[in-house]
Amino acid sequence: AQSVTQLDSQVPVFEEAPVELRCNYSSSVSVYLFWYVQYPNQGLQLLLKYLSGSTLVKGINGFEAEFNKSQTSFHLRKPSVHISDTAEYFCAVGENNAGNMLTFGGGTRLMVKP
Amino acid sequence: GAVVSQHPSWVICKSGTSVKIECRSLDFQATTMFWYRQFPKQSLMLMATSNEGSKATYEQGVEKDKFLINHASLTLSTLTVTSAHPEDSSFYICSASGSVGRGEQYFGPGTRLTVT
Repeated sequence: AQSVTQLDSQVPVFEEAPVELRCNYSSSVSVYLFWYVQYPNQGLQLLLKYLSGSTLVKGINGFEAEFNKSQTSFHLRKPSVHISDTAEYFCAVGENNAGNMLTFGGGTRLMVKP
Repeated sequence: GAVVSQHPSWVICKSGTSVKIECRSLDFQATTMFWYRQFPKQSLMLMATSNEGSKATYEQGVEKDKFLINHASLTLSTLTVTSAHPEDSSFYICSASGSVGRGEQYFGPGTRLTVT
């Protein structure tokens, strides 16, 4: 069975500073990975995904993530955050032999301060 | 593309009544739809998975007689909360996967249910 751990429940950061949101997973089979963002009272919006190929994945809103198989990580980064990036971020993992089911991490609240 | 809608976006009902939430894939065929429940400041909890034309598969601990799921077409799934109680108040989110993307779920905007 797979599991996803988002190590930080909250990450405060000042505007224009860089940020990294951490995600580690465990799985016994090959995986595909996602980062979603959720604004208050809204559904989830896909930021980026890793299915195969290049381990550095670029997404929307200037975010990127790197798949590290040896460390079983998929950390999300942005070099310069904006106030509008304040939201909840979820890492999710799917296994190639489990259809389209996803396992979600607990979420990280990114709080960007002026 | 790959848009999923939910209706209603919010609903308030009295204890003991039933509420139906609709989830629609607007521009693709959703062979599989997922229903999640999210409590404040928590992650998504998968309630059930439904494939078009089949009975839903419920996660452990989810009452299938209380949360009725119907996936009658490739674009529509419904979740009915029967005999709702205040503890059923939550944010319900659906997602769909199918004829677009690879292994990707597309999420609806969610429905806020408040049971008084």
